[in-house]
Amino acid sequence: QSVLTQPPSVSGTPGQRVTISCSGRSSNVGINAVIWYQQFPGTAPKLLIYPNNQRPSGVPDRFSASKSGTSGSLAISGVQSEDEADYYCAAWDVSLNDWVFGGGTKLTVL
Amino acid sequence: QVQLVQSGAEVKKPGASVRVSCRASESNVNGYYIHWVRQAPGQGLEWMGWINSKNGDTDSAQKFQGRVTMTRDTSSSTVYMQLSGLRSDDTAVYYCARLYDYYDDSGSYNGGAFDIWGQGTMVTVSS
Repeated sequence: QSVLTQPPSVSGTPGQRVTISCSGRSSNVGINAVIWYQQFPGTAPKLLIYPNNQRPSGVPDRFSASKSGTSGSLAISGVQSEDEADYYCAAWDVSLNDWVFGGGTKLTVL
Repeated sequence: QVQLVQSGAEVKKPGASVRVSCRASESNVNGYYIHWVRQAPGQGLEWMGWINSKNGDTDSAQKFQGRVTMTRDTSSSTVYMQLSGLRSDDTAVYYCARLYDYYDDSGSYNGGAFDIWGQGTMVTVSS
């Protein structure tokens, strides 16, 4: 059971806007940045969104993130077939003194 | 761009220990916190702990305390993660990752994120 809650799967057609939610608690998402990672099968996770909802160099600007209270959200505006991957949210939990992850969301582009 | 290169796949019997290495391609990784994250087959990411590659301080998730040991060799820019008392549910891909700290333009700390990951090491525990 993951500390952060994500939907197991989301889907969309090319060009659609897709969002992935990440629900946590006051000890993690409520007080710290939500980080997002993208993972393709058989490869290591890749940093997608870092603190202050910023994108590393090379990440397309169709990826954006936001946070409200104890919930975070990743949005993909104009989803493309190459975005089909697993997406994980993460945050530092000040009560556990641990990094906590969501269970991951599989994005399918129909 | 710094890269983290991990050791190869391991097959261990239940009760044994495994040591996974994570070598940085540049010496300036010393001073960063290197974290370990694992992923069981078909499952999500699970944080295990960290080591301060500069002074060797460590901390781990409560679940792994007493079983995980993290060390480093500054001369070779390598960190190690040893997991003892292996069980079948320790079968997973183990990743090392660098924690990078982010600050805004005024110098305020915004938080950290794992910006560089190793390629992963598959550890299989089977009798």
